[in-house]
Amino acid sequence: DAGVIQSPRHEVTEMGQEVTLRCKPISGHNSLFWYRQTMMRGLELLIYFNNNVPIDDSGMPEDRFSAKMPNASFSTLKIQPSEPRDSAVYFCASSLVREATEAFFGQGTRLTVV
Amino acid sequence: DAKTTQPNSMESNEEEPVHLPCNHSTISGTDYIHWYRQLPSQGPEYVIHGLTSNVNNRMASLAIAEDRKSSTLILHRATLRDAAVYYCILRGNSGGSNYKLTFGKGTLLTVNP
Repeated sequence: DAGVIQSPRHEVTEMGQEVTLRCKPISGHNSLFWYRQTMMRGLELLIYFNNNVPIDDSGMPEDRFSAKMPNASFSTLKIQPSEPRDSAVYFCASSLVREATEAFFGQGTRLTVV
Repeated sequence: DAKTTQPNSMESNEEEPVHLPCNHSTISGTDYIHWYRQLPSQGPEYVIHGLTSNVNNRMASLAIAEDRKSSTLILHRATLRDAAVYYCILRGNSGGSNYKLTFGKGTLLTVNP
């Protein structure tokens, strides 16, 4: 397996534009996590899905952020409209929903909003 | 969320053992202790996990206190490639809201040649 695949790797957009980040989890994994990382706030969990259903979205910063998982092999994180303070590295991770399993992280998407 | 406490930074010399401590005094009986690390410009990667007994794998060893209120990640011979931020995380039972991986600030490990 190629691991967790995120796209794009880098995104530069203007303030006010819509941004969509994509994630393909490892085949067979049924738990998916979206994180945001900045120097100031570290790694923050935004939302996590089990079997395509959002279980905990308490970390989603505001209504401008939305995440979907239409099937087991694809998830998106959308920001609309984007703001400069959304600039960060966004990570996706997947794992099995089972006791004591490890999560595998993608390489991340570096988002810059100007 | 169950909380962990780690030193902000530690320093080691190459080829020497490193002991990274973690306190988790509010751990519940079903929480697993996970360790992840993040190398520069990469996503976090799994290192090791345990419940009650000490654990060994090819990367590291995990020593868990008898009362489970603390643990220590042991790198037996540090290399320059081990320089990273190490995170100690408590993870609950599968499927519930406490199954999520919540990262703290971690310990920045510097390895000197």
